[in-house]
Amino acid sequence: AQSVAQPEDQVNVAEGNPLTVKCTYSVSGNPYLFWYVQYPNRGLQFLLKYITGDNLVKGSYGFEAEFNKSQTSFHLKKPSALVSDSALYFCAVRVFHGSSNTGKLIFGQGTTLQVKP
Amino acid sequence: DGGITQSPKYLFRKEGQNVTLSCEQNLNHDAMYWYRQDPGQGLRLIYYSQIVNDFQKGDIAEGYSVSREKKESFPLTVTSAQKNPTAFYLCASSIDLAGPVYEQYFGPGTRLTVT
Repeated sequence: AQSVAQPEDQVNVAEGNPLTVKCTYSVSGNPYLFWYVQYPNRGLQFLLKYITGDNLVKGSYGFEAEFNKSQTSFHLKKPSALVSDSALYFCAVRVFHGSSNTGKLIFGQGTTLQVKP
Repeated sequence: DGGITQSPKYLFRKEGQNVTLSCEQNLNHDAMYWYRQDPGQGLRLIYYSQIVNDFQKGDIAEGYSVSREKKESFPLTVTSAQKNPTAFYLCASSIDLAGPVYEQYFGPGTRLTVT
């Protein structure tokens, strides 16, 4: 079954320290991967995506993600965390229906990032 | 939250009543989606639409209905048949459903409480 997993419900980090939010996936064919962020009682905001090419993808607000095909992972990273980065983060993978090119996103269950001053 | 509006932000209904959640986008996107979010469960796809007058069931369509009469509008009706309707509902759109590269843009959400 095609799926995406975020193994940590919560990640705690001190402001100024590097942060990593983990994501692993299982898909047939080429993976198309996304990261979104959600602030309380708000919709999701797109951060970055991996389609093909360079394994290190840079996105909004200083975030980046590293695609690792052998480990089927797409971890979100930031060199120096800010208190304002505290939010709920979702990893998602695009899956396709059979032989058609239409697809949908499957989301992980989310990881709460808490950055403390 | 881009060019997607959802209304109302909070909605309260009595059990047994149908309720319709509004979603409008001005991004000229072809594809639109409805998701349900529950704590600790991520987002689950209810319905999606690739073009006007066409829509498909997602993973949890039972107890819900949609229409797509205009490109910019994709309302969701939560019927009395939905067993656990209390949730946060998110509408999204993307340029197209086909093609791998298009990210989805989300509205601000509607929090529905049924008592």
